Amino acid sequence: EPEVTQTPSHQVTQMGQEVILRCVPISNHLYFYWYRQILGQKVEFLVSFYNNEISEKSEIFDDQFSVERPDGSNFTLKIRSTKLEDSAMYFCASSPRGGAGANVLTFGAGSRLTVL
Amino acid sequence: GQSLEQPSEVTAVEGAIVQINCTYQTSGFYGLSWYQQHDGGAPTFLSYNGLDGLEETGRFSSFLSRSDSYGYLLLQELQMKDSASYFCAVGDSNYQLIWGAGTKLIIKP
Repeated sequence: EPEVTQTPSHQVTQMGQEVILRCVPISNHLYFYWYRQILGQKVEFLVSFYNNEISEKSEIFDDQFSVERPDGSNFTLKIRSTKLEDSAMYFCASSPRGGAGANVLTFGAGSRLTVL
Repeated sequence: GQSLEQPSEVTAVEGAIVQINCTYQTSGFYGLSWYQQHDGGAPTFLSYNGLDGLEETGRFSSFLSRSDSYGYLLLQELQMKDSASYFCAVGDSNYQLIWGAGTKLIIKP
């Protein structure tokens, strides 16, 4: 069964450092997303990406964050100058359709980011 | 503001039926979805309701009433492996998924 792959599974970084989280969405999906989940809390939308550009972003997704699709398979989330409160599980997701199709997502296993 | 309300925890017995309710208040509405998440795992899609009524997928069913801004997930013939957190999520006017805080389902033998 097709799956969304994320690396690394866990990253520990010092406050102020930059991190890049990587994702390989399902190959025939066109819409890509990043969500985050602080431990024990709800899942929060960060950004959606379609046709090589951001389609929507939340208030959380400020100038500290950026996304990129550097090639035909990878989808990355970059966090510049990490802060303690960025510690969370970051999930990549993809869907074959947009609009209401964004309700039906396939998630990766997540990348746990710990900022010290 | 946008909010989804669901119980924080529900306890049930193996083999029984359990219903997890969700009420929502969002700007725009593009469907109600349910996701399952085991501890330390990724959310897994369970069910989607775009229109009023009941959707059935095996042991799981989901219901939506848009006039009441209400939905529920019904799990039948509970198994120990169903112990997990269940999240309702609504697609808002920007097609972003707005999530509830999750319901932890505890199943006792």
